[in-house]
Amino acid sequence: GAGVSQTPSNKVTEKGKYVELRCDPISGHTALYWYRQSLGQGPEFLIYFQGTGAADDSGLPNDRFFAVRPEGSVSTLKIQRTERGDSAVYLCASSPVGMDAGANVLTFGAGSRLTVL
Amino acid sequence: GENVEQHPSTLSVQEGDSAVIKCTYSDSASNYFPWYKQELGKGPQLIIDIRSNVGEKKDQRIAVTLNKTAKHFSLHITETQPEDSAVYFCAARDVYNFNKFYFGSGTKLNVKP
Repeated sequence: GAGVSQTPSNKVTEKGKYVELRCDPISGHTALYWYRQSLGQGPEFLIYFQGTGAADDSGLPNDRFFAVRPEGSVSTLKIQRTERGDSAVYLCASSPVGMDAGANVLTFGAGSRLTVL
Repeated sequence: GENVEQHPSTLSVQEGDSAVIKCTYSDSASNYFPWYKQELGKGPQLIIDIRSNVGEKKDQRIAVTLNKTAKHFSLHITETQPEDSAVYFCAARDVYNFNKFYFGSGTKLNVKP
């Protein structure tokens, strides 16, 4: 696609529910990243995929958070037993290859705003 | 990990004036510093970056300076225009993991016509 597409753009859920956020990266980009942006803060790294595998998931806050990228393209961020503190904008980004392979530009999507009531 | 601090949190300037946003970082080994612009309802977009082997980089009305000794880098926007109004983020790349970036808390720039 022309850019990084994220759905839904807005998600309101109740505490304790399960949510899935989807990211469709730029076609051909092998590297995919998830960041979380809380209100008034900068993006915070969650996880990085190279192809189908999670190369670095050190930013996931706890085991309620999980992400997959089964075919090396679309990725889904999954949050179980949501808490009010999970409320944030979840940003996805992609790059042609990983930053360790020479890429230096992250192309971000518009984000999915999650509100946990 | 890296700690990036950004100031000011808000900045209001008159159209045509210059704007300066400053960031500091904690890991002296950091070597790559991008700046992102985020408009309302959109994701951050890279506008300029600098590597630690240079002290300054310029692209039309925007420039970035880096002081490695002080662990300090700044974004300079000259001849500001209303369309420059946005939130700007500085970032530093992790020294050991090039795929991880640490972002500042952002500066909301308002350019008044």
